[in-house]
Amino acid sequence: GDSVTQMEGPVTLSEEAFLTINCTYTATGYPSLFWYVQYPGEGLQLLLKATKADDKGSNKGFEATYRKETTSFHLEKGSVQVSDSAVYFCAPSKAAGNKLTFGGGTRVLVKP
Amino acid sequence: GAVVSQHPSRVICKSGTSVKIECRSLDFQATTMFWYRQFPKQSLMLMATSNEGSKATYEQGVEKDKFLINHASLTLSTLTVTSAHPEDSSFYICSALDRGLGNEQFFGPGTRLTVL
Repeated sequence: GDSVTQMEGPVTLSEEAFLTINCTYTATGYPSLFWYVQYPGEGLQLLLKATKADDKGSNKGFEATYRKETTSFHLEKGSVQVSDSAVYFCAPSKAAGNKLTFGGGTRVLVKP
Repeated sequence: GAVVSQHPSRVICKSGTSVKIECRSLDFQATTMFWYRQFPKQSLMLMATSNEGSKATYEQGVEKDKFLINHASLTLSTLTVTSAHPEDSSFYICSALDRGLGNEQFFGPGTRLTVL
């Protein structure tokens, strides 16, 4: 079946540091790829997505590029803020059924 | 973006009782909703796909008689945990598929179930 591997957290950073969260997946076919974020005490929110190879998703300063050759969708942000402290989930989705397969989640803590 | 609500946000019940959790899409119609379970510090596990007007599709290993799903309208799906036991204690999250927004899933805030 499909699976997702994310780097384990917690990741602790200082404000304005560079953030990378690695995500690789195994999936049949060519899925759409998503990053979701869960802020403390809140539900999951879509952060960004990419629907085909070489697409770059971006939002709130975060970026991720759909790399078919390496089956990866790494999340990056050049300068994090305290408000970016959250849990980040990588999730591919099949077109058929729209099911999401979630990675284990990476907790990020940004300190002032 | 679209809003999905869940009720209750937190519930504590005795072992052997049944608990119903509601998931509503507030400003869009959702023919498809999903139910997930999230264990502490772990990922979301898809339990079932809820389809309006038809039977839910359960993932492998999920007991359909234990977790009853009803999707009676385009804005409401319910998950009933029957004869709950302490091992059913978990965080249950629903999502609703908005086909008008490119099949994006919008997530509810979750329901914390504690079975004593």
